[in-house]
Amino acid sequence: EAGVAQSPRYKIIEKRQSVAFWCNPISGHATLYWYQQILGQGPKLLIQFQNNGVVDDSQLPKDRFSAERLKGVDSTLKIQPAKLEDSAVYLCASSLRLAGDEPDTQYFGPGTRLTVL
Amino acid sequence: LAKTTQPISMDSYEGQEVNITCSHNNIATNDYITWYQQFPSQGPRFIIQGYKTKVTNEVASLFIPADRKSSTLSLPRVSLSDTAVYYCLVVPGYSSASKIIFGSGTRLSIRP
Repeated sequence: EAGVAQSPRYKIIEKRQSVAFWCNPISGHATLYWYQQILGQGPKLLIQFQNNGVVDDSQLPKDRFSAERLKGVDSTLKIQPAKLEDSAVYLCASSLRLAGDEPDTQYFGPGTRLTVL
Repeated sequence: LAKTTQPISMDSYEGQEVNITCSHNNIATNDYITWYQQFPSQGPRFIIQGYKTKVTNEVASLFIPADRKSSTLSLPRVSLSDTAVYYCLVVPGYSSASKIIFGSGTRLSIRP
């Protein structure tokens, strides 16, 4: 089974530039997550999609970050304009709904390492 | 929001059993305890999840006491390849509106 795919793996930009990251979840996984992981910290959830609808985007800095999942499959996360503090690894994860109330297992991609100069 | 507290780092040796304890005093009734493992330059990987008592799978065991205010991840007979960061999460049940929060994790180093 193919895992979560992300591209690019690395990106270096200058502050105030724009950048976009792409994620293709595991086939059949309805839920997709974007996380930001700053060096030395745990991942922080930015946005969660259920199919193509947003479930939670409370921690997404909406003045500069945007995300979409138009057809309920792959997703794009954009930063415009980037700031120095956006330097981090951006992780995408997907999950498949289990029965009952037990939380879904999230499957993570390898991430995109962003460096803002 | 339920937060977790776990050791910043731990060291052990190959072949030993490693126990990592996590404190989650504010866990809610419909929250689960989940552990992820993360290697450098990779995304986290699910290890184990439980609600109460003991859960065991092919790689680890999870012990949860009756009050559920703490939990212990047990890794039997560790090897060098178990060197990684381990995250303890309190994860809301599917029907809950609570958020998923990762802490800073425990950096486990295994020595020969």
